[in-house]
Amino acid sequence: DIQMTQSPSSLSAALGDRVTFTCRASQTIRTNLDWFQQKSGKAPKLLIYAASTLQSGVPSRFSGSGSGTNFTLTISSLQPEDFATYYCQQSYGTPITFGQGTRLEI
Amino acid sequence: EGQLLESGGGLAQPGSSLRLSCTASGFAFSSYAMSWFRQAPGKGLEWVSLVIGNGGNTFYADSVKGRFTVSRDNSKNTFFLQMNGLRAEDTAVYYCAKDQKGRIVGPFDIWGQGTMVVVS
Repeated sequence: DIQMTQSPSSLSAALGDRVTFTCRASQTIRTNLDWFQQKSGKAPKLLIYAASTLQSGVPSRFSGSGSGTNFTLTISSLQPEDFATYYCQQSYGTPITFGQGTRLEI
Repeated sequence: EGQLLESGGGLAQPGSSLRLSCTASGFAFSSYAMSWFRQAPGKGLEWVSLVIGNGGNTFYADSVKGRFTVSRDNSKNTFFLQMNGLRAEDTAVYYCAKDQKGRIVGPFDIWGQGTMVVVS
């Protein structure tokens, strides 16, 4: 199974900050990496797929990069609605696996 | 835009069974693989199972293999998760999700609201 590791596990930031989340795969997954945002009590929301493609309707302050085993998600200027937990997921093969999540707090 | 609606969750005793349903609307259901995910209280996301568009192939996480069965009825735009031999560790919110690009393993662009399963 492909293990996904996210860092940090939590992050404190302020409105307007630029923040970066990291996700590492235990083996190469090329660019088969997706990012989700999840707010408390809600379903995950797809933000980025194929490592760097912005999902339709997602604000352009979100961006993704990386390939192989190392990936990042960046929010360029934090807005109030961005405080949530962020998960990476490899879409390279089954079993589908997620990172443990990064909680973004004010 | 498409929507997914889960049902069938609830309280179950260890060793018993539950059947979850996920009904789709707003997209060509039979053209897409569908997956089940779950999230235990306070924990991260876990993939459970997937079924391809025509129902011909299914895949399972090791944690549920042999106990859970995924299926679909394309005539009713619905897919199912039959959960047998339930254990306390199956307690979670269960989400269904649609594969966006036809690669079956993601990206998953539409998610249901979730249905809670408590095994106790």
